Amino acid sequence: DQQVKQNSPSLSVQEGRISILNCDYTNSMFDYFLWYKKYPAEGPTFLISISSIKDKNEDGRFTVFLNKSAKHLSLHIVPSQPGDSAVYFCAARFGSGNTPLVFGKGTRLSVIA
Amino acid sequence: GAVVSQHPSRVICKSGTSVKIECRSLDFQATTMFWYRQFPKQSLMLMATSNEGSKATYEQGVEKDKFLINHASLTLSTLTVTSAHPEDSSFYICSARDRAGLAGVYEQFFGPGTRLTVL
Repeated sequence: DQQVKQNSPSLSVQEGRISILNCDYTNSMFDYFLWYKKYPAEGPTFLISISSIKDKNEDGRFTVFLNKSAKHLSLHIVPSQPGDSAVYFCAARFGSGNTPLVFGKGTRLSVIA
Repeated sequence: GAVVSQHPSRVICKSGTSVKIECRSLDFQATTMFWYRQFPKQSLMLMATSNEGSKATYEQGVEKDKFLINHASLTLSTLTVTSAHPEDSSFYICSARDRAGLAGVYEQFFGPGTRLTVL
């Protein structure tokens, strides 16, 4: 049973436009959500996170929105750049930082110049 | 950010042999490390949680006798795939959290991963 779902395996966006990556989760007990970016043959790198008590967190070009009632979060990248092309994983966690992450399957973002 | 290294980055071995993968936190101490496995086009799946000085906690379906985890120090955890078979071929990634934690940010730092191919 997939607790964290990324239903779009891929997304293509024109450079300069907005990229919106979506993530749904089933367990309402998750209290922390994270987005990771991953290049081929590399480990994931942390991008941005949001606590379940918030509905928005912004860091430069990256903004994460959380809709708890819909159990949905999204990552907005604006403006998109070719260097943003990678696989983006949504992850969720219970409790403190010593608990493991539950990952979605990832969405491959391609930013076209 | 904190740095986590893995060695080797790539290994090819014959079926039946054992392979050891090291995960090191380079500039921080990690009381807890996690081992994940990723198959092509799949998500990262947690295999086990490794705690310094104690036995690892394995996820359901992961054979602890096949995937031996040792976390002997605050900066090193090892994963040994014993009697490897072709179906063990995968991308293995470790992660670690700073012992002291990062103020306001609870992300885990991931290693670059190890590509294991069993012939």
